[in-house]
Amino acid sequence: GENVEQHPSTLSVQEGDSAVIKCTYSDSASNYFPWYKQELGKRPQLIIDIRSNVGEKKDQRIAVTLNKTAKHFSLHITETQPEDSAVYFCAATTRGGGNTPLVFGKGTRLSVIA
Amino acid sequence: DVKVTQSSRYLVKRTGEKVFLECVQDMDHENMFWYRQDPGLGLRLIYFSYDVKMKEKGDIPEGYSVSREKKERFSLILESASTNQTSMYLCASSDSDLINTGELFFGEGSRLTVL
Repeated sequence: GENVEQHPSTLSVQEGDSAVIKCTYSDSASNYFPWYKQELGKRPQLIIDIRSNVGEKKDQRIAVTLNKTAKHFSLHITETQPEDSAVYFCAATTRGGGNTPLVFGKGTRLSVIA
Repeated sequence: DVKVTQSSRYLVKRTGEKVFLECVQDMDHENMFWYRQDPGLGLRLIYFSYDVKMKEKGDIPEGYSVSREKKERFSLILESASTNQTSMYLCASSDSDLINTGELFFGEGSRLTVL
């Protein structure tokens, strides 16, 4: 089955700097890659996703890139702000592969220091 | 807004007790999930369901069972709670023809402590 590795497990950046979180996956058939953000004491929420027919997707200060050959995808946050502090989870799955739910990485705790 | 409601935010149970965690969603979603969240281990799937009375094992089903008698409700059952089941439990639902493509909407979580 799919295995998703996420790095780093913790990340501290100065406010205004960029943050990058990387994930690798094992199943070359995976073709859907969402990112979830979980603020302290709150539920995880989808912030961005990418499908295998595109290499990059942007939404304001966040972007996700996908390299299918290398089987890795990354979350990029620019101009970080204190409200970006949270745990971020990447995930992967095989869209159209039947009843195969998302497989999550172990999470990255991002701290943005003001 | 989609609402996923978990019946209890905090529970304290004793070893050997039977524990029920209830989850209700109000958006007529076909798919429902139970995850367990532990520090450093991320979100691990316990069980999921893509239809009433249907259930599938996730990655860590041992020690758990589930029930889905109605579309909106998905229950997680710990038949005999053990201390290693102390954790945060997250319920989620999604609306998709294919279980793996829809956005997951999570509940607030139920923090279970087993003494």
